[in-house]
Amino acid sequence: GNSVTQMEGPVTLSEEAFLTINCTYTATGYPSLFWYVQYPGEGLQLLLKATKADDKGSNKGFEATYRKETTSFHLEKGSVQVSDSAVYFCALTFSGSARQLTFGSGTQLTVLP
Amino acid sequence: EPEVTQTPSHQVTQMGQEVILRCVPISNHLYFYWYRQILGQKVEFLVSFYNNEISEKSEIFDDQFSVERPDGSNFTLKIRSTKLEDSAMYFCASSALAPNTGELFFGEGSRLTVL
Repeated sequence: GNSVTQMEGPVTLSEEAFLTINCTYTATGYPSLFWYVQYPGEGLQLLLKATKADDKGSNKGFEATYRKETTSFHLEKGSVQVSDSAVYFCALTFSGSARQLTFGSGTQLTVLP
Repeated sequence: EPEVTQTPSHQVTQMGQEVILRCVPISNHLYFYWYRQILGQKVEFLVSFYNNEISEKSEIFDDQFSVERPDGSNFTLKIRSTKLEDSAMYFCASSALAPNTGELFFGEGSRLTVL
């Protein structure tokens, strides 16, 4: 079946540090890939997405590139801020699936001033 | 900005009791979902709902679970006879009719604690 494996958390960084959260997937075929973020006290929000190989999704300084050869979609940001503290979820879906998302376990990020 | 709202934010119940979790999706959305996350585990898909019927459900969504859209605005998840293992955060989500964008809009979640 389809699955998503995320880097174990929690991750604690100082402000302006470089962030990488690893995400790899197992799927039959070519899914669309997503990063969702959950800020404290809020619901999950779409952060960025990529729908085909070599696509790069980007938003709010975050980037992730769909790598078919390594089945990965790692999230990166060059300089994190305290306001980036949240839980980050990698997810995938296929067309025709009623847009059911398969999520990773989530990675808690804390950014210290 | 439109948002998905869920109530209650936290419910504590005794094993065997019925629970109804409520959601108000974004008003022009047509697809509705329930997901859950047991503490420390992955967010898991339960069910999707479109055009007044279930379009997909997972193996978790057994006969103890049901969903309903009773009045055109609310979307409810009912657990008929709760078990300890139903303790989790339950997320409602909705999406507009768009080709495979995966852009679901989630509520803040309802935490269910079964004692």
